Amino acid sequence: DVKVTQSSRYLVKRTGEKVFLECVQDMDHENMFWYRQDPGLGLRLIYFSYDVKMKEKGDIPEGYSVSREKKERFSLILESASTNQTSMYLCASSLLLTSGRRAQETQYFGPGTRLLVL
Amino acid sequence: SQQGEEDPQALSIQEGENATMNCSYKTSINNLQWYRQNSGRGLVHLILIRSNEREKHSGRLRVTLDTSKKSSSLLITASRAADTASYFCATERGPGSEKLVFGKGTKLTVNP
Repeated sequence: DVKVTQSSRYLVKRTGEKVFLECVQDMDHENMFWYRQDPGLGLRLIYFSYDVKMKEKGDIPEGYSVSREKKERFSLILESASTNQTSMYLCASSLLLTSGRRAQETQYFGPGTRLLVL
Repeated sequence: SQQGEEDPQALSIQEGENATMNCSYKTSINNLQWYRQNSGRGLVHLILIRSNEREKHSGRLRVTLDTSKKSSSLLITASRAADTASYFCATERGPGSEKLVFGKGTKLTVNP
């Protein structure tokens, strides 16, 4: 079974702190994603990575950066945490779509990190 | 823009009843997926239906897809208290896109 793990289930940080959220997947997936989930807004894509050191901005990248130094690990960084970044953060991974591989569009999610910024 | 929109936003039923959730989307798709999220947890993939399929079954789940109406429905038969969760539909952002767009979900409560 695919396993996606996130470094913390709950995290409390202070405004202005630099925050690192780590995500690790064990299925050799090329794609990795960071979402945030807020009531009434659903899931919104923050960043996407399709390979080591490659990244694409999602819908709401402001205030965030990412790092993908190894294929299995995708880190989300809040450079200077603010109260409006209090949210549930979800990491996901999926296989790269290629013509030679039957499409595997399914995303596999980690358990989420509930972040509170005070 | 929001690709998938679920309806209703919330649904409360008794154990043993069937639950039907609907999803509408705006643009052409290659496939549509349904995910479940238990409270405070990550999403779990339930089923994927391709644009050339009209109906798909998985256990107590039945998914239909009507590409002419740009809509899909998820039916859970003989519901159980453990089915209590939020259910999301998801479609790809564009042809061949790796990224998905999720709806805001239907919150299902199954009362014992």
